[in-house]
Amino acid sequence: DVKVTQSSRYLVKRTGEKVFLECVQDMDHENMFWYRQDPGLGLRLIYFSYDVKMKEKGDIPEGYSVSREKKERFSLILESASTNQTSMYLCASSLGDGNEKLFFGSGTQLSVL
Amino acid sequence: DQQVKQNSPSLSVQEGRISILNCDYTNSMFDYFLWYKKYPAEGPTFLISISSIKDKNEDGRFTVFLNKSAKHLSLHIVPSQPGDSAVYFCAASPGGGADGLTFGKGTHLIIQP
Repeated sequence: DVKVTQSSRYLVKRTGEKVFLECVQDMDHENMFWYRQDPGLGLRLIYFSYDVKMKEKGDIPEGYSVSREKKERFSLILESASTNQTSMYLCASSLGDGNEKLFFGSGTQLSVL
Repeated sequence: DQQVKQNSPSLSVQEGRISILNCDYTNSMFDYFLWYKKYPAEGPTFLISISSIKDKNEDGRFTVFLNKSAKHLSLHIVPSQPGDSAVYFCAASPGGGADGLTFGKGTHLIIQP
């Protein structure tokens, strides 16, 4: 069965800290994505990657960076966390054959104090 | 500029009746549409999709209708069940690429006993 695993369900960090959110998929998918979900705003795309070491900016990349050193792993990095980055972060993957169906992880609820 | 719009933040339906969730889009390049269901503190799960070459797709209690000329799609759930209470996201893609999905803001469906 398809599996996207996010390393933490809940995370509390302080303003200015560097934060790493990890995501692993076991489906050999080409594409991986990071979204954030906020009440009333839906899901917004932060960054995505269609190959190892490749990354593309989404709609709201400011304050974030990503790393994809291996096909199965996609990391989201908050260089200096701020309170407006408190959110639910969702990792997703897709096969990459033109089929756009995304499979999501369970999400990480990040609180920045 | 919101390319995928779900104008109803919430919808309340009696158990056993039909639930109709609506979605409008503005980007004429979108040719693949999906509905996702999300419970609190969980990642979205895929529900049903439709390609622009079709106007209807059915899967059990769930049917999606696409009206390309009106740039409108709807999700019908019949009969509605208590477990259907969740947030439903409409999503769209231009297809064929790896750019991820553009999501609406979601509609919170509440099924009343």
